[in-house]
Amino acid sequence: KQEVTQIPAALSVPEGENLVLNCSFTDSAIYNLQWFRQDPGKGLTSLLLIQSSQREQTSGRLNASLDKSSGRSTLYIAASQPGDSATYLCAAVPGNTGKLIFGQGTTLQVKP
Amino acid sequence: GAGVSQSPRYKVAKRGQDVALRCDPISGHVSLFWYQQALGQGPEFLTYFQNEAQLDKSGLPSDRFFAERPEGSVSTLKIQRTQQEDSAVYLCASSESTSPGETQYFGPGTRLLVL
Repeated sequence: KQEVTQIPAALSVPEGENLVLNCSFTDSAIYNLQWFRQDPGKGLTSLLLIQSSQREQTSGRLNASLDKSSGRSTLYIAASQPGDSATYLCAAVPGNTGKLIFGQGTTLQVKP
Repeated sequence: GAGVSQSPRYKVAKRGQDVALRCDPISGHVSLFWYQQALGQGPEFLTYFQNEAQLDKSGLPSDRFFAERPEGSVSTLKIQRTQQEDSAVYLCASSESTSPGETQYFGPGTRLLVL
């Protein structure tokens, strides 16, 4: 059974700092891995999707990497801004099911 | 265009009451997913539809939970005889095709509180 874990559970950084969020998964047989952002009281917004054959994806100040052999993914946020404050969730798609298996999330606070 | 919408946004139910949660996916999206998110946790998969066919209901926690999508568009998640442990945010997501690798677009969720 696929299990996804995110560390740390919460993170507080000053504005402008570069930071890394970690995600680990137990079963390397994934179809893809996705990173989402969740703002309080709102649904999830897709940030990055990494196919199982890819090593990384980039979008603006965000870069996500995937290492299937070690069961790890990281989300790198460059030059953090207060508007980046939110909960970040990673999710693995096991096999060809389409359903997302989520980690518990990392709640990020960027202080001005 | 319009995103995924869900109604009601908030629902307070007395223990034992039946509730129905509605999801309107993005028009034309074939795949529809329901997830349950407890406070402080990540969402957990409940069930998956491809058009009107419910292909996976392995995440439904008990037989009190029932989901349908009769015309392959709007979906309803019904919870019978609600219990306090059913209190959570229920999220609906849709994707354009049946490809498992596609981005899922999420609605704002329905926050259910069972007293």
